[in-house]
Amino acid sequence: DTEVTQTPKHLVMGMTNKKSLKCEQHMGHRAMYWYKQKAKKPPELMFVYSYEKLSINESVPSRFSPECPNSSLLNLHLHALQPEDSALYLCASSLGTYQETQYFGPGTRLLVL
Amino acid sequence: AQSVTQLGSHVSVSEGALVLLRCNYSSSVPPYLFWYVQYPNQGLQLLLKYTTGATLVKGINGFEAEFKKSETSFHLTKPSAHMSDAAEYFCAASPGRSNDYKLSFGAGTTVTVRA
Repeated sequence: DTEVTQTPKHLVMGMTNKKSLKCEQHMGHRAMYWYKQKAKKPPELMFVYSYEKLSINESVPSRFSPECPNSSLLNLHLHALQPEDSALYLCASSLGTYQETQYFGPGTRLLVL
Repeated sequence: AQSVTQLGSHVSVSEGALVLLRCNYSSSVPPYLFWYVQYPNQGLQLLLKYTTGATLVKGINGFEAEFKKSETSFHLTKPSAHMSDAAEYFCAASPGRSNDYKLSFGAGTTVTVRA
């Protein structure tokens, strides 16, 4: 089973709201990733967690706050977002980080009004 | 730094015709290479990958790709296109160094299939 699940599927939020995206995998993977994808563009890496520790932050604004409560769960907390943050947010996981295959979830479509 | 180039942002094929999507990478160290497909409003699905060994790699849905080190290429093919192959395709590379595991994506190729 190579399934990564993400909730919610769709999210609409105002610029003053606080919301969270959730990602879960039960494949025993120890690396988890958040990507942002705009229409017709490749995914852009935001954060990487390796063994539940943040190992990469690609200079993402502080209005995005990742959290890895355990090895199976990854959250992305959202606060005071801007309309340009509207995008598809993808979670991925891999066994480790070195040249490992990344498996992607279905994504959360976020619209910021 | 690693980079991945996909030639052709849009490919249109007739149903039953050959699908050929081109991907070239630039790396001094042979990377691991991947092809992902993304259907509308969905996440990325792994089609196939090259790590080491056999250079002709077979994937899901009848796709295959050949790693050619001399040409730094990893082109994706399918002998006979089906309407369900209409999607966005991304080539990606994982670097060969243990301290740099960022996946580099090409810009993507949109495939449309004509009936």
